[in-house]
Amino acid sequence: EVQLVESGGGLVQPGGSLRLSCSASGFTFSGYWMGWVRQAPGRGLEWVANIDPDGTEKNYVESVKGRVTISRDNAKNSLYLQMSSLRVEDTAIYYCARALWFGGWFDPWGQGTLVTVSS
Amino acid sequence: DIQMTQSPSTLSASVGDRVTLTCRASQSIGSSLAWYQQKPGKAPNLLIYKASNLENGVPSRFSGSGSGTEFTLTISSLQPDDSATYYCQHFKSYPWTFGQGTKVEIK
Repeated sequence: EVQLVESGGGLVQPGGSLRLSCSASGFTFSGYWMGWVRQAPGRGLEWVANIDPDGTEKNYVESVKGRVTISRDNAKNSLYLQMSSLRVEDTAIYYCARALWFGGWFDPWGQGTLVTVSS
Repeated sequence: DIQMTQSPSTLSASVGDRVTLTCRASQSIGSSLAWYQQKPGKAPNLLIYKASNLENGVPSRFSGSGSGTEFTLTISSLQPDDSATYYCQHFKSYPWTFGQGTKVEIK
């Protein structure tokens, strides 16, 4: 069974940093694009970042460029999202997802991890 | 950026009804569209990819159509388990964007 499990969320002050992790199992992790999608409380979905199978191609939504880095460790079947200079508007549930067809659509998704940026 | 607009925002229908949700792109995206279902407190679940391809395991009452700028998700016979919010997402060019969602309620 394909499974994605996020961790690392929590409460952080504005300007702070946080590293999210996503542990993958049940498929050949190194063969797939992966992505992060977030959802602010009571709001819709927002794509955050994608990374190609070998970690060389990375794409970001404009609002996080320069503050967020997506990375992966294929030996550990893990995906990461390093976030810094966090803002109140970064508060959201962050979902890890396998991205199919060159990172196009997402299936499946993890259960999400909540990041709260507040003083 | 390509903007995705869904309509209606909320839809209320009875069990057994045929329901159609619409998603419009601000420019042509070909067939580069996916549909997801999200229930409260849960992660989204893929329903349709490349505009009209039904994901494995998704009930056949769901179907997708369209190309270019206008797309539809149809539920042929609404079931109680279909109560959820539905999102479209394009993958034509970065940044990927989602529509704002359509909430489907059961009367």
